[in-house]
Amino acid sequence: NAGVTQTPKFQVLKTGQSMTLQCAQDMNHNSMYWYRQDPGMGLRLIYYSASEGTTDKGEVPNGYNVSRLNKREFSLRLESAAPSQTSVYFCASSETRGTGNLFFGSGTQLSVL
Amino acid sequence: EDQVTQSPEALRLQEGESSSLNCSYTVSGLRGLFWYRQDPGKGPEFLFTLYSAGEEKEKERLKATLTKKESFLHITAPKPEDSATYLCAVQQSGGNQFYFGTGTSLTVIP
Repeated sequence: NAGVTQTPKFQVLKTGQSMTLQCAQDMNHNSMYWYRQDPGMGLRLIYYSASEGTTDKGEVPNGYNVSRLNKREFSLRLESAAPSQTSVYFCASSETRGTGNLFFGSGTQLSVL
Repeated sequence: EDQVTQSPEALRLQEGESSSLNCSYTVSGLRGLFWYRQDPGKGPEFLFTLYSAGEEKEKERLKATLTKKESFLHITAPKPEDSATYLCAVQQSGGNQFYFGTGTSLTVIP
C-alpha cells in the first residue's frame, strides 16, 4: 500500500520554464491538497480539491494551476517558474475535506535558478 | 498575524529527559488541533487530533493536551528515535484550511 506518491523527488528549473508535479493516492480518498514548505514559514496551502471534479484556491495560489485528473490523481503545474517558487512541495490527501487526518507524500524539492 | 506559534524552535534532550513542546493558536472557534511528526526528507506523519479543551491523547511516549489557547506535546523518557520535527496545525470552525506552525526540531542525544 503506497499511500500518497509524488514525482519527481527533485527538480531544477530555469526561470521561465514550466513543469508539472504529479501526485497519486491509492487510499480512495475524496480530498487532495498541494502544500509548499519554506524555512520559517510552515506549510502553506496552494490549492485543494475537495472531491473529484472540483478545485479551490488556498493561501498562496498565484503562479500555479492544478488538475484533478480523477479520484486518484491531482497534479500541480508551474507555467513559468520563478525563483520565489523554490520550495519543497507536498501533496496530501484525506478521506473527507477538513477531517484533519492528512496523509502526505514524501515531497518534491524544487529549485528555480 | 500568525495563527499558530510553536515553541521552542529547537530542543535538545538527553535520552530519558522528559519535556514539553508548546503550540499556541489565535483562531477563534477551533474545529480541531493536529500534531504531526516530520522526519528529514519526508512528509509529515499524523499523530493526534484534539477537538476540545481538556482533551488528551496518548501514543507511546507522547501525550498531547489541549487548553483554550494552546496545546502541549509531552514527551516522556524520549529515545533517539523520537528525534524529528513536530508540527502543529489548527482548523477553524467553518473553514477549510489548516494553519500550520513552523515546528519544533527535537534532537534526543543517546
